[in-house]
Amino acid sequence: DVKVTQSSRYLVKRTGEKVFLECVQDMDHENMFWYRQDPGLGLRLIYFSYDVKMKEKGDIPEGYSVSREKKERFSLILESASTNQTSMYLCASRIGLSPLHFGNGTRLTVT
Amino acid sequence: DAKTTQPNSMESNEEEPVHLPCNHSTISGTDYIHWYRQLPSQGPEYVIHGLTSNVNNRMASLAIAEDRKSSTLILHRATLRDAAVYYCILPYNTDKLIFGTGTRLQVFP
Repeated sequence: DVKVTQSSRYLVKRTGEKVFLECVQDMDHENMFWYRQDPGLGLRLIYFSYDVKMKEKGDIPEGYSVSREKKERFSLILESASTNQTSMYLCASRIGLSPLHFGNGTRLTVT
Repeated sequence: DAKTTQPNSMESNEEEPVHLPCNHSTISGTDYIHWYRQLPSQGPEYVIHGLTSNVNNRMASLAIAEDRKSSTLILHRATLRDAAVYYCILPYNTDKLIFGTGTRLQVFP
């Protein structure tokens, strides 16, 4: 089974801190995605990557950046965390148009 | 791009069938219809997908209208573990998948 692992289940950070959310997949998937999920808004795509060192903006990239130095790892970076970035963050991966495989999420609280 | 419409919530009793509807009136001819579900405290997981004809797998069945403007996810016997948010997704041949807010299914013992 494909496993997508997010490094932290819960994270509490202060406003202005630089925050790294890590995601690792073990199935050699080319495509990786970062979503955030907020009540009433569903899942919204932040960034995605279809290859090492490649990245594309999703629907809400402002305030975020990403890094993909190795195929299995996709990092989401909050350069200067703000309270409106308090959310559930979900990482996913897939190959081609096959089903997405999600991690269990990181609940980030910015105080 | 196609857009989907789902009820915000539905309820069922355990061991009863559940029919979760999805409207997608602007679907294009090559769009597959995908369904995912999200159990509490987990990321979404794939359930089923189809193009034109009805599909079955171990988790659910997918009934697709003849004009393809709507589809129904069928859970034949709901269990408490089926309580989740169910997402109908299309278009799928894109990296910018739109999950929307889905249908929250409550299952009562």
